[in-house]
Parts: sequence; C-alpha cells; structure tokens
Amino acid sequence: QKEVEQDPGPLSVPEGAIVSLNCTYSNSAFQYFMWYRQYSRKGPELLMYTYSSGNKEDGRFTAQVDKSSKYISLFIRDSQPSDSATYLCAMSEAGGGNKLTFGTGTQLKVEL
Amino acid sequence: GAVVSQHPSRVICKSGTSVKIECRSLDFQATTMFWYRQFPKQSLMLMATSNEGSKATYEQGVEKDKFLINHASLTLSTLTVTSAHPEDSSFYICSAYNRGLEQFFGPGTRLTVL
Repeated sequence: QKEVEQDPGPLSVPEGAIVSLNCTYSNSAFQYFMWYRQYSRKGPELLMYTYSSGNKEDGRFTAQVDKSSKYISLFIRDSQPSDSATYLCAMSEAGGGNKLTFGTGTQLKVEL
Repeated sequence: GAVVSQHPSRVICKSGTSVKIECRSLDFQATTMFWYRQFPKQSLMLMATSNEGSKATYEQGVEKDKFLINHASLTLSTLTVTSAHPEDSSFYICSAYNRGLEQFFGPGTRLTVL
C-alpha cells in the first residue's frame, strides 16, 4: 500500500464548477499537508499549506485536513480554464524543510 | 516566491554515459536541497537530501554511487547520473529550502537515455 493515495483522474469539469480533489494517507505521523499545482513540463508550485487538522482558505482555494480519517481535500471554487493542471498532495512529518511524500497527482481539465 | 533553476531542461544521452544536472537557487541561499524523480503518471519520489558542505542522505533503494550529489555552495547542487541506462530515463526535479514553510521547486530536467 502506498503511503499516500490519490486518484490520478483525469477529471474534466465545466468552467465555473466546484472541484474537489482528495488524498488519503496511512502514516499517522504526517503533520504538515500541502497541495501543489504542476503544469506540464514544469516543477510543482505550492498552493496551500496546512498544519494538523482543520480548514484553510485562500481565495478560490480551500484545503481541509481530517487527521482522524487520514483524509485531505482541496476545493477549487469558480474553476477557470487556467486551473487546468495536475494537482499533487504532499505530506511531511516535520515541516517543509523535510522529506515530502507526494500523491500521484490528479490531472484536472477545466473546459470552456 | 523564490526562484530555482535547473540546467539543462532536457538531455538525451547514450547508454553508458554520465549526465550532470545543475540546480540553482537564484535569489536565496538554500541550506538544504532535495532531488526528486518523477516517472510518467507517478508521484515525485525523493531520491536524496543534501545539505551544503556535507554528504547527501539517500532514500532507501537509491544507489548513491550511481546518483552522485554535490552541494558545493548555498546556491548550487548537482546531480550526476553515472553510467546511465534507459531505465534511468525520467523527469528529475530539485527543490531548495532555507527557512519557513516551503521547498521551492525547479522546472525539472527530462533525461532520455537511448
């Protein structure tokens, strides 16, 4: 079993839709949870960073962490074609300067 | 955000040759740099962690004699794939960290070994 599971998609939604992306994990020592966006042939860029359980909102993006269920989510409101990318969840036991364990990424396409 | 560059962006080489990939933090000093490998439709897998001036720490299953990492300065780390073979073909991405929350990722290097 992988430490982090993520549905690879692809996920196709119409412009303006609410997108829900999810990851599950097995390592209860993970304390820091991140979502990255990766465009084709580019490196990942950080979207959201959450410590422990709870919600965090930043513009159209909301990250949720439920440590009791070992489940994290990223919601994108009012999705735009420019949101089309691969979204990777990542987790760490000890913060951003330490080993990150990534999901496989979910490929999202937002269509006009 | 901070900028991390990688060079080359793409390289094609013959089996048995060695390839060097550079990772530079352009506007900050990176105390730690990480090297990841990403196969198609798979997640980024950490290969090794390097701190400036010290030996790299390799993840289990990564051959340190095959993937040589040098972190010579606070702004430069290099990954050398020695005696490359077709199974080493992959997307190699570095990240750099100083302090704070996040690692900043480079754009990646696509290696194709013929």
